[in-house]
Amino acid sequence: AQSVSQHNHHVILSEAASLELGCNYSYGGTVNLFWYVQYPGQHLQLLLKYFSGDPLVKGIKGFEAEFIKSKFSFNLRKPSVQWSDTAEYFCAVRRGSNYKLTFGKGTLLTVNP
Amino acid sequence: NAGVTQTPKFQVLKTGQSMTLQCAQDMNHNSMYWYRQDPGMGLRLIYYSASEGTTDKGEVPNGYNVSRLNKREFSLRLESAAPSQTSVYFCASSAFGLAGGNTGELFFGEGSRLTVL
Repeated sequence: AQSVSQHNHHVILSEAASLELGCNYSYGGTVNLFWYVQYPGQHLQLLLKYFSGDPLVKGIKGFEAEFIKSKFSFNLRKPSVQWSDTAEYFCAVRRGSNYKLTFGKGTLLTVNP
Repeated sequence: NAGVTQTPKFQVLKTGQSMTLQCAQDMNHNSMYWYRQDPGMGLRLIYYSASEGTTDKGEVPNGYNVSRLNKREFSLRLESAAPSQTSVYFCASSAFGLAGGNTGELFFGEGSRLTVL
């Protein structure tokens, strides 16, 4: 079965620090990759996605992610976090043409002012 | 546009009671999904519907049933609620599979918080 691993359960940073959240998946074929964010008390919103082409994708609010096929990874980065980035972040993977989207367990990011 | 609308937003049930969570989308999407979110578990897929008239099991279907009533609506039913079904339920929809090479991101509803006593 396909799995998605987010290695960091809870990350605590100070404002202006750089962020990298790890995401690895277990399927070796064609994948579509997503990062979602969930602010406290809200639903999930798409941050960015990768389908094909340039493996470095840019999303909203200054986030970016890099798809490294050889490492089965799609890590999320932001050069300088803000207090308003405090949220839970979920990586998700779709296998090829499969309709199902599998989510990781999430990483809670706390940014201290 | 309302996007994905779920009702009710909150519900408290007693063990053994039944209820239906309703979901509707107005984006003309073909696929719809029900997930549950539990602390430390992320989102787990309960059921999905790739298109009107079809439904398929996800990771955690036991104790649930679904109906794809039409293209817009996808309901989730708990026939005999159990405390283990206490969770936040999210409905989502996607244009994945439609002609035009849609990237297939999911659009989520606001969630329904269910407590089973």
